[in-house]
Amino acid sequence: SQTIHQWPATLVQPVGSPLSLECTVEGTSNPNLYWYRQAAGRGLQLLFYSVGIGQISSEVPQNLSASRPQDRQFILSSKKLLLSDSGFYLCAWSVTGGSGELFFGEGSRLTVL
Amino acid sequence: AQSVTQLDSQVPVFEEAPVELRCNYSSSVSVYLFWYVQYPNQGLQLLLKYLSGSTLVKGINGFEAEFNKSQTSFHLRKPSVHISDTAEYFCAVSEGSGGYQKVTFGIGTKLQVIP
Repeated sequence: SQTIHQWPATLVQPVGSPLSLECTVEGTSNPNLYWYRQAAGRGLQLLFYSVGIGQISSEVPQNLSASRPQDRQFILSSKKLLLSDSGFYLCAWSVTGGSGELFFGEGSRLTVL
Repeated sequence: AQSVTQLDSQVPVFEEAPVELRCNYSSSVSVYLFWYVQYPNQGLQLLLKYLSGSTLVKGINGFEAEFNKSQTSFHLRKPSVHISDTAEYFCAVSEGSGGYQKVTFGIGTKLQVIP
């Protein structure tokens, strides 16, 4: 069966520090991968998606970046965090060419102080 | 462009009462529709989905939803809620071509079940 893991679960970082959130998927090949951010009362905002290794599309311009170094690994990064980067970050995957049903990780809560 | 509107940000309901969470969408093409549930500090999990066929779909935990194409709605219902149903519920629409599906979420509805 397929599983998805993301870490760390919680993170408290000072403004200006770097960020790295990691997500891995097991039990499937060539998935579509997604990073969403959830802020209170604002639903889910799609940040990045990837249809293959090294292929990253950005939905919202910001100081975050994403990379997909391996088929089932998706990384969210920042060189310098802003206060506005605080939120709950969710990684998800879907079957390529499927219905768009998303399978979510457990989430990572980032607090920037 | 597709969009999803969840008309109620919060819905309080007494335990064992029925509930309906409303969702309307707009899209220029055929879509797939989903409801997800999120418990505090957790990821989202699928409640149910409409892909094709019968417009009434049943999901986990006793929830069901009805796809109404003419009204572009996909409302979620449960005849009798439990305390454990307290959570946030998201409606989503998916459309796409080739290998990628663009998924758009509503802003969510917080269901509060009152004992």
